[in-house]
Amino acid sequence: QSALTQPASVSGSPGQSITISCTGTSSDVGGYNYVSWYQQHTGKAPKLMIYDVSNRPSGVSNRFSGSKSGNTASLTISGLQAEDEADYYCSSYTSSSTLNYVFGTGTKVTVL
Amino acid sequence: EVQLLESGGGLVQPGGSLRLSCAASGFTFRSYAMSWVRQAPGKGLEWVSAISGGGGSTYYADSVKGRFTISRDNSKNTLYLQMNSLRAEDTAVYYCAKDTEYDSSGVIDYWGQGTLVTVSS
Repeated sequence: QSALTQPASVSGSPGQSITISCTGTSSDVGGYNYVSWYQQHTGKAPKLMIYDVSNRPSGVSNRFSGSKSGNTASLTISGLQAEDEADYYCSSYTSSSTLNYVFGTGTKVTVL
Repeated sequence: EVQLLESGGGLVQPGGSLRLSCAASGFTFRSYAMSWVRQAPGKGLEWVSAISGGGGSTYYADSVKGRFTISRDNSKNTLYLQMNSLRAEDTAVYYCAKDTEYDSSGVIDYWGQGTLVTVSS
């Protein structure tokens, strides 16, 4: 099972909005509403930011939002802050693997 | 407070074996699926294996199938990963991760801090 495709890097200035894409196929992102997003600061464990495409866990800022269209899911960060600088990974259920889950390639978000 | 504490990582020669453990606390361990996720140095996340809350269902990535075995002892609130026939490409930080459901949903709401496994001669 190949990893989902994400842009290697995305950058923005404080206060701006940025969007990270996560592209898969009809066997994963496009076929199920089971896309999650994780934030990982350097040297730290990942943190769940979005699940089931657009749901935010308790305690996650409402500046983070998720959506999906066809085979591509997206994570939008609005009102970008310095603390948002991190790596972001999408994940999706997949019918193409016995493990049933696959991560994206990861996106480095830089706050200019 | 949910805590996941991994142990058992270290340096091992190619072809060797290692067993990772993850001591869980702060939640009803038997009620949730658990996973191992790894991250090679400077690389992305890779799902390695998952196990249902009761241990009856297990799942493996193709890259480790036949070499790694996931298990759990619900009486000890501990998750394990037995790793055999280790290869250089297995070098990574291994994270213990808690799922949000009894049967693996793929949504991880808590992660351990990770334990480093280095496979090298």
